[in-house]
Amino acid sequence: AQSVSQHNHHVILSEAASLELGCNYSYGGTVNLFWYVQYPGQHLQLLLKYFSGDPLVKGIKGFEAEFIKSKFSFNLRKPSVQWSDTAEYFCAVLQAGTALIFGKGTTLSVSS
Amino acid sequence: EPEVTQTPSHQVTQMGQEVILRCVPISNHLYFYWYRQILGQKVEFLVSFYNNEISEKSEIFDDQFSVERPDGSNFTLKIRSTKLEDSAMYFCASSVVVGGNTGELFFGEGSRLTVL
Repeated sequence: AQSVSQHNHHVILSEAASLELGCNYSYGGTVNLFWYVQYPGQHLQLLLKYFSGDPLVKGIKGFEAEFIKSKFSFNLRKPSVQWSDTAEYFCAVLQAGTALIFGKGTTLSVSS
Repeated sequence: EPEVTQTPSHQVTQMGQEVILRCVPISNHLYFYWYRQILGQKVEFLVSFYNNEISEKSEIFDDQFSVERPDGSNFTLKIRSTKLEDSAMYFCASSVVVGGNTGELFFGEGSRLTVL
């Protein structure tokens, strides 16, 4: 069965620091990849997604993610975080014909 | 912007009681989902629903759970006899087509269920 691993449980950064959150998945076939964000007290929102084409995808609020097929990875990056980026970040993988599977999430705390 | 709405936002119930969580998906969406998130754990898939029937369900979705689309707008999750371990945030989601095409699920704000 498909599984999604997010290696960082809780990341604490200062404003303007660079961010990279790791995500690995287990299935070796065709997948669609997503990052969702959940701000405190709010619902899950799509940050960015990868289906095909350029493996470097850009999302909202300056986030980007790179799909590396050989490493089964889809890491999320942002060059300079802001206090407002404090949230829970979920990597999710969709294998054709199955439901969206989430990783355990990474809590990002940004101090001003 | 259209959104998925869920009610109630928080429900407290006694163990063994029946609970119904309600969702209004985005109007032109055809696929509906329930996910749950136990505090401190990952978001887990429960069930997907299309064309008035369950299209996929996880092992979590046992006989205590049922889903229904009673009219043209609501999508409900019923837990027949709640257990302490059912305490979680339950998220409803909808999508235009099954995830393989667009993949973007639009989530509601969640219904927090507390079972005492």
